Amino acid sequence: QQQVKQSPQSLIVQKGGISIINCAYENTAFDYFPWYQQFPGKGPALLIAIRPDVSEKKEGRFTISFNKSAKQFSLHIMDSQPGDSATYFCAASMYGSARQLTFGSGTQLTVLP
Amino acid sequence: DAGVTQSPTHLIKTRGQQVTLRCSPKSGHDTVSWYQQALGQGPQFIFQYYEEEERQRGNFPDRFSGHQFPNYSSELNVNALLLGDSALYLCASSLGPLLRGNTIYFGEGSWLTVV
Repeated sequence: QQQVKQSPQSLIVQKGGISIINCAYENTAFDYFPWYQQFPGKGPALLIAIRPDVSEKKEGRFTISFNKSAKQFSLHIMDSQPGDSATYFCAASMYGSARQLTFGSGTQLTVLP
Repeated sequence: DAGVTQSPTHLIKTRGQQVTLRCSPKSGHDTVSWYQQALGQGPQFIFQYYEEEERQRGNFPDRFSGHQFPNYSSELNVNALLLGDSALYLCASSLGPLLRGNTIYFGEGSWLTVV
């Protein structure tokens, strides 16, 4: 029940295209859903995060869509650029758990020039 | 403004040895969490320190222990190293362990190789 399932494992997109990564969770106590971007040899960097009281949040080219009833959330990267090539992790945490993050397994995104 | 800093960046240890990893949280942050990230996987929560006490622990054996100092910096200690302990160890800092609006920042990690 603590798992966060992420798909696809890898994704190849042309420059200018839309990248979509999906995550699903089981624990309805989760109340915070961040996305992290990780480049090789670096630590994860927070991209964008959402709480379940909103269905969508947009920051620049990055949008999170959240479906509370389906217990799913997704990251959309508009106008994907080669510099976006990285591994993306979804995560979830809940109040009372010391805010520990439960991560998905990651999606390796490659944006072709 | 310094972010989360970790040391060392890379190290190689032999099975059975002990290792200590260090972390300084982002300025103004008082909570430190440690994560283990095996190659090709997402980070897994080890434990969190707040007010110099371990507040929460993930599914890791007692060989993994930690400490937080009065200046909020932290150490992760792993005893009796196993080959399976080879991973990137990430430190994450935040302000308060339970604050609803806090953001969790990660350091660049310490790469541990056990041979």
